[in-house]
Amino acid sequence: GNSVTQMEGPVTLSEEAFLTINCTYTATGYPSLFWYVQYPGEGLQLLLKATKADDKGSNKGFEATYRKETTSFHLEKGSVQVSDSAVYFCALILNNAGNMLTFGGGTRLMVKP
Amino acid sequence: EAGVAQSPRYKIIEKRQSVAFWCNPISGHATLYWYQQILGQGPKLLIQFQNNGVVDDSQLPKDRFSAERLKGVDSTLKIQPAKLEDSAVYLCASRDGIEQYFGPGTRLTVT
Repeated sequence: GNSVTQMEGPVTLSEEAFLTINCTYTATGYPSLFWYVQYPGEGLQLLLKATKADDKGSNKGFEATYRKETTSFHLEKGSVQVSDSAVYFCALILNNAGNMLTFGGGTRLMVKP
Repeated sequence: EAGVAQSPRYKIIEKRQSVAFWCNPISGHATLYWYQQILGQGPKLLIQFQNNGVVDDSQLPKDRFSAERLKGVDSTLKIQPAKLEDSAVYLCASRDGIEQYFGPGTRLTVT
């Protein structure tokens, strides 16, 4: 089956620190990969995506590269802000199936001033 | 462009009671999803609609959960009777291309 594994949180960083949240996946086909962010009290928002191997998704200073050889899609940001505090979810969709998202368990990020 | 709307935002019920959630997707989105998000976990798909037809309901506990999208636009999800383990956030999403857009969710607490 399909699954997504994320590093467990919470991840606590000081403002301007470098962020990495690890994500690995298993899939029976060729997935598209996503990072979603959930701010306190809000719904999920798409942060970035990559649809094929070696693609890099980027948005709001966050980046993730689709690595087929390591089945990974790690999220990175060079300098986090307090406003980045949220829960981050890695997810996949199989490109030849009904576009059902499979999510990881989420990683809570807390950024301290 | 208006986003996915859901109501109510919060609901507290006692076990064995029934409850219904409503979702209005983004205009023009044919595909609609309901997810269950238990505290501390990622969302899990309950049911997927394409227009007014069910595409996938393999993860829906059909003995107590039901969902409909009669006119292919808004949708309702019902739980009857509720159990303690149904306490979760119920998320509705609609799709454009491969991107899914989520509503704010309904937080259900079963006591």
